[in-house]
Amino acid sequence: EAQVTQNPRYLITVTGKKLTVTCSQNMNHEYMSWYRQDPGLGLRQIYYSMNVEVTDKGDVPEGYKVSRKEKRNFPLILESPSPNQTSLYFCASSPSGRIAGDTQYFGPGTRLTVL
Amino acid sequence: AQSVSQHNHHVILSEAASLELGCNYSYGGTVNLFWYVQYPGQHLQLLLKYFSGDPLVKGIKGFEAEFIKSKFSFNLRKPSVQWSDTAEYFCAGRAPGRRALTFGSGTRLQVQP
Repeated sequence: EAQVTQNPRYLITVTGKKLTVTCSQNMNHEYMSWYRQDPGLGLRQIYYSMNVEVTDKGDVPEGYKVSRKEKRNFPLILESPSPNQTSLYFCASSPSGRIAGDTQYFGPGTRLTVL
Repeated sequence: AQSVSQHNHHVILSEAASLELGCNYSYGGTVNLFWYVQYPGQHLQLLLKYFSGDPLVKGIKGFEAEFIKSKFSFNLRKPSVQWSDTAEYFCAGRAPGRRALTFGSGTRLQVQP
C-alpha cells in the first residue's frame, strides 16, 4: 500500500532533550516536506527536500534540522526542543515538487508535547 | 505576502444542508489550488485540486470547487452534506515558481444529524 509513515505518533518530552521524528514513504517520491499544524494557523512548512541530499528551509525552520540521505526517509530533528515546539507535525511527499498540480500525500501526524 | 485565507473558522450545518466554504488567495499568475480534508484523528487527504483548464473542479465524495480568477477565490461546495462530512477542511495554494504549499487556517465543519 502506498503510504507515508511517521514515528512516533505521540511523544511527550522535556525541554532540551534531543529527539527525532522519522518519516518514510514507499512511493519513490522525490519531494518530501515537514509541516507543523497549530490551532488557527493551519499548516506551516518547516523544511522541504527536492531529492536526496537537497534540503531547504520552509517558512518556520528555526529550532529544526532535517536530513535526506535516502530517497524514502526524511527525519525531522529537534536538537533542543522547547515548549513552543509543542505541535502536531505532518510529513508529506509528492512525486516531484516541480510539476504543476503535483499532489502531496500526508502522513498520519505526530503529536509532540514539550514540557 | 503570498497567502491563503479561509474566513469561516467553524461552520455548523444540519444534514442535507448545502455547504460553501470560502477560500481566497493572494497570488498573481498561474496558481495551483487544493482542498484537503482532515477527518478526526486522521491525516490530510486530498479532496480536489485545480491547476489549469475548467475552473469548476469536481473532487471525491461529491465535493466541487470553482476557481474564480477575478475574485481570487476557490470556494468549496457540496449540495447536501452528511454527518460523515464532519471534519476540518484546508485550502492550500502554490504560487508560481514556488514549491511550497501555503495553507489556510482551516475550517471546522460540524454536521448535525
